[in-house]
Amino acid sequence: DTGVSQNPRHKITKRGQNVTFRCDPISEHNRLYWYRQTLGQGPEFLTYFQNEAQLEKSRLLSDRFSAERPKGSFSTLEIQRTEQGDSAMYLCASRVWDGTEAFFGQGTRLTVV
Amino acid sequence: QKEVEQDPGPLSVPEGAIVSLNCTYSNSAFQYFMWYRQYSRKGPELLMYTYSSGNKEDGRFTAQVDKSSKYISLFIRDSQPSDSATYLCAMSLRDDKIIFGKGTRLHILP
Repeated sequence: DTGVSQNPRHKITKRGQNVTFRCDPISEHNRLYWYRQTLGQGPEFLTYFQNEAQLEKSRLLSDRFSAERPKGSFSTLEIQRTEQGDSAMYLCASRVWDGTEAFFGQGTRLTVV
Repeated sequence: QKEVEQDPGPLSVPEGAIVSLNCTYSNSAFQYFMWYRQYSRKGPELLMYTYSSGNKEDGRFTAQVDKSSKYISLFIRDSQPSDSATYLCAMSLRDDKIIFGKGTRLHILP
């Protein structure tokens, strides 16, 4: 296991389409985080999981966004009815437990046209 | 006031110089402090992770935390062109999400 894996790396979609991203955390990492990053900004928190439980969702996360981590391992982030403003880098991170180092994947770059 | 403030730069320094990057924060309850390096179109890479006030050194990198002033720093010695990247400070409570600064763009001039 070499790190946090995110797929796809790039996604181009038409406005109004649904997209789903996948994150595979480092093995045995209980905490999994989703962030969104736009050009020139730091990562903005979206949501995080402790095993399969979703502990917090940001107010940034509209009803069009949903995330799950069904078996406490990989996680998916779905965006329904995409808008141009959804274009960003979506980052996933994992950590063993609270208070430990968090490691990021390479991100999924979404472009909505 | 944002929870974490970081000057976005860009910061340009000559190769071999000592680089100083800084962040301030407003929440005195933050306990864990991190510095990430991010190259263009890549995910953030963890550089330094500290828990308490004081200094932590790793090779050419030194992280400094001053909880009384709510101020953290990252020093890079003998800077190299390969250090050119965006540096993100981040922090968290013990049982909570990680909050990031906007990042500082650093250019090391050969």
